Amino acid sequence: KAGVTQTPRYLIKTRGQQVTLSCSPISGHRSVSWYQQTPGQGLQFLFEYFSETQRNKGNFPGRFSGRQFSNSRSEMNVSTLELGDSALYLCASSLAVAGDGDTQYFGPGTRLTVL
Amino acid sequence: SQQGEEDPQALSIQEGENATMNCSYKTSINNLQWYRQNSGRGLVHLILIRSNEREKHSGRLRVTLDTSKKSSSLLITASRAADTASYFCATAGYYGNNRLAFGKGNQVVVIP
Repeated sequence: KAGVTQTPRYLIKTRGQQVTLSCSPISGHRSVSWYQQTPGQGLQFLFEYFSETQRNKGNFPGRFSGRQFSNSRSEMNVSTLELGDSALYLCASSLAVAGDGDTQYFGPGTRLTVL
Repeated sequence: SQQGEEDPQALSIQEGENATMNCSYKTSINNLQWYRQNSGRGLVHLILIRSNEREKHSGRLRVTLDTSKKSSSLLITASRAADTASYFCATAGYYGNNRLAFGKGNQVVVIP
């Protein structure tokens, strides 16, 4: 069974631009969660989608948004990029809603650098 | 909000030794999970322990959970160089607060 895939793996953008990251969950998984990882803040929860509905949202500004498609693939978008958005963005999928005791499987991440 | 906090932050040990790291949290949890991350890559799920469990084993891993002290520990026995990684604990709340909250992580270096 293929694991969680994320595209692109690396991305370089400039301030003010916007970016879209993609995540394909493990086949059959309906929950996709997104996390931002930085050296200073660690792993921070962005949002979770389950069956195309946003179930949870972290404390990030409205510039961060996401969606999930009927095939469970998910995208997250960051508009008006800031230098502080440079991070490793990880997505994770699980069968059930994250935190219900179901294992989350992480993708390799997208490394975003904002210049 | 729940936030796992690992202690100590960095650990350097010789191959064959045991490594122990701790995690504390602030509120009631549904379960607590441990993850490993190698060199800034994706996280790998290691083990999950539910709030009504006290101890769990998986291969060379042993996890304990003390809900009265709101703390957990991860023990890696007979460490190997391949165990060099960052280890994170993550807590999950009950219904209505299902997000995983990760700690800052423990950097473990196993010297061959």
